[in-house]
Amino acid sequence: AQKITQTQPGMFVQEKEAVTLDCTYDTSDPSYGLFWYKQPSSGEMIFLIYQGSYDQQNATEGRYSLNFQKARKSANLVISASQLGDSAMYFCAMRGYTGGFKTIFGAGTRLFVKA
Amino acid sequence: DVKVTQSSRYLVKRTGEKVFLECVQDMDHENMFWYRQDPGLGLRLIYFSYDVKMKEKGDIPEGYSVSREKKERFSLILESASTNQTSMYLCASSLKTGGLETQYFGPGTRLLVL
Repeated sequence: AQKITQTQPGMFVQEKEAVTLDCTYDTSDPSYGLFWYKQPSSGEMIFLIYQGSYDQQNATEGRYSLNFQKARKSANLVISASQLGDSAMYFCAMRGYTGGFKTIFGAGTRLFVKA
Repeated sequence: DVKVTQSSRYLVKRTGEKVFLECVQDMDHENMFWYRQDPGLGLRLIYFSYDVKMKEKGDIPEGYSVSREKKERFSLILESASTNQTSMYLCASSLKTGGLETQYFGPGTRLLVL
């Protein structure tokens, strides 16, 4: 069975510092995709970054990067130079080819950025 | 930009009422999804649809039904609302490509069942 685990219910970070949000996954699929979403208090889920299991390099999108360690089955999100607007809920998600169209989500990590 | 809209941001209903949640996407996406989000549980898939008039059960379909009469519109129906269906409901859509396509979400509907 596929599973996503986010062990940090909440995190604090000082403005302008970097922060790492943890995500581990479990799947028997040989090919899968990993996603991170941001959910501000407004409720909308915003796609941040994607990593394919066969991608040789870690994905980066602006201040977001994904620290992908395939052997450890981890896909941590790194946010550099945190901003107050980064305060939100962050969800790690995964989809495997054998899972069809189903994406499974972790429980989420709430990030608080302090001024 | 992909745009997914949901008919209501906030909804209050009474136990036993029939509830319709509407979702519309404007990017000609084949796949559409309904999730509910509860604290500590993340997002759980209720139903999804990969084509007009096609639907598949997700992980928690009990108490819900769906309708997809047009490609751009996917409706979630609570036949007889119950208090344990109080939740945040999120609609999403994606292209039908290789299977690992990104899902785009609507703003969500916060439903309170009294």
